[in-house]
Amino acid sequence: GAVVSQHPSWVICKSGTSVKIECRSLDFQATTMFWYRQFPKQSLMLMATSNEGSKATYEQGVEKDKFLINHASLTLSTLTVTSAHPEDSSFYICSARDWGRGGMVGSYEQYFGPGTRLTVT
Amino acid sequence: RKEVEQDPGPFNVPEGATVAFNCTYSNSASQSFFWYRQDCRKEPKLLMSVYSSGNEDGRFTAQLNRASQYISLLIRDSKLSDSATYLCVVNLNTGGFKTIFGAGTRLFVKA
Repeated sequence: GAVVSQHPSWVICKSGTSVKIECRSLDFQATTMFWYRQFPKQSLMLMATSNEGSKATYEQGVEKDKFLINHASLTLSTLTVTSAHPEDSSFYICSARDWGRGGMVGSYEQYFGPGTRLTVT
Repeated sequence: RKEVEQDPGPFNVPEGATVAFNCTYSNSASQSFFWYRQDCRKEPKLLMSVYSSGNEDGRFTAQLNRASQYISLLIRDSKLSDSATYLCVVNLNTGGFKTIFGAGTRLFVKA
């Protein structure tokens, strides 16, 4: 089955530093990847949709200058949390759809990466 | 009103019990529906898709009622390993595809 990896799985950084998180699709090409954030005991909230070769689409309330997304290839998207602060501490999860599989458009499941737990001190 | 609403939970049930999760969605542009399972500090994993005709996978049965905009998941003969958070997930097509997650319902199965 499709696999999505994330790196790092866990990071602690000091306030004011930047952190880059990588999301890779391992056995399929993902023209679109999604970045989510999940705070404790809350559901996943979509932050942005990452499109290969073009600018990401950010959800309302998500600062694009703070959460930089780069989708440089069909298998890699990166999220950089710039000047991280303690309130950015969260579980960041990426996902991708495998559009190459048959089925009704819109019915594709998403494959999630294992997540990156960010703690900003 | 949230676009996808689930039972607040948590549900505490003994092993062997049957437990039902309910979910409602508000957007009529919703196209496809899923139940995901999320273990603590892990990513969500697809449990099953939900079809209008209803579908079953072992001890799990999912149903969709488009007229009522209602989705359900039934777990029979619950196991300790079923303890997790169950997420109701809806894909919308509103000019672009968007996935909406419910807040999840936590299930604790006890011996």
